[in-house]
Amino acid sequence: LAKTTQPISMDSYEGQEVNITCSHNNIATNDYITWYQQFPSQGPRFIIQGYKTKVTNEVASLFIPADRKSSTLSLPRVSLSDTAVYYCLVGGVNNQGGKLIFGQGTELSVKP
Amino acid sequence: GAVVSQHPSRVICKSGTSVKIECRSLDFQATTMFWYRQFPKQSLMLMATSNEGSKATYEQGVEKDKFLINHASLTLSTLTVTSAHPEDSSFYICSARSSGDSTDTQYFGPGTRLTVL
Repeated sequence: LAKTTQPISMDSYEGQEVNITCSHNNIATNDYITWYQQFPSQGPRFIIQGYKTKVTNEVASLFIPADRKSSTLSLPRVSLSDTAVYYCLVGGVNNQGGKLIFGQGTELSVKP
Repeated sequence: GAVVSQHPSRVICKSGTSVKIECRSLDFQATTMFWYRQFPKQSLMLMATSNEGSKATYEQGVEKDKFLINHASLTLSTLTVTSAHPEDSSFYICSARSSGDSTDTQYFGPGTRLTVL
C-alpha cells in the first residue's frame, strides 16, 4: 500500500485559503486519492476524491499532477469550524481489497 | 446518501465482560466493511477487513479471538470485544465500501467510545 506523507500541523486564519500537500511516491496505477476530515471523537468525513488532474466540489479542490506522486487539498476561505485533522489516503479496490492505511494526518488550526 | 451508523455511541463496561458494537450501512449495500481503532491523539489503526459471508481478515498483531467480527448481511457488521480489559479502552470506528464501487470510497461511522473499568 502506498505510504503518504503530510505536514503534521498547519496554522491559518479565518478567510484564508489553505493548501495541504500530500506525497505518495509509490502510488499504484489503480489507486485513487481520497481526503478525509476528522473532528475529535467523530469518524472521518469524506471530503474529496480524485484520480488525476483537478477535482472540485462544494467544499474543496484537489490538485493532482501528471505523475500522481503528490496531491494538494485546497480549502477556500477557511473558517474556525475547519479546524480538524485532514488525512490523505491512497488505495483502490484492486489493491489489497481496498484497504486504507491512515498516516498521521495534518492537524489544521484556524485562528480568528 | 452513503450513511454509516454505529451502535452504541459509547459504552462503559467492567473488566472481563464482552461488548458488541454494530456497524450498519443505512442506504447502500456494503460487501466490505473495515474496523479501526483510534487511541487519543493518534491516527486510525486498521484492525480488520470484514467481508460479507466470509471470515474477516485481521491485521498483524490483532487477536482474532479477542476481536470477533461477523458480517452476516450486506448492511451489518459487528465487532465483539471479548473479555475486555482497560487497555482495550479506545475509540472504535467502522467504515463501509459500497458494493461495486471501483473508486474505493469508504464511508465512516461516527465511532464508538469504549471505556473498560
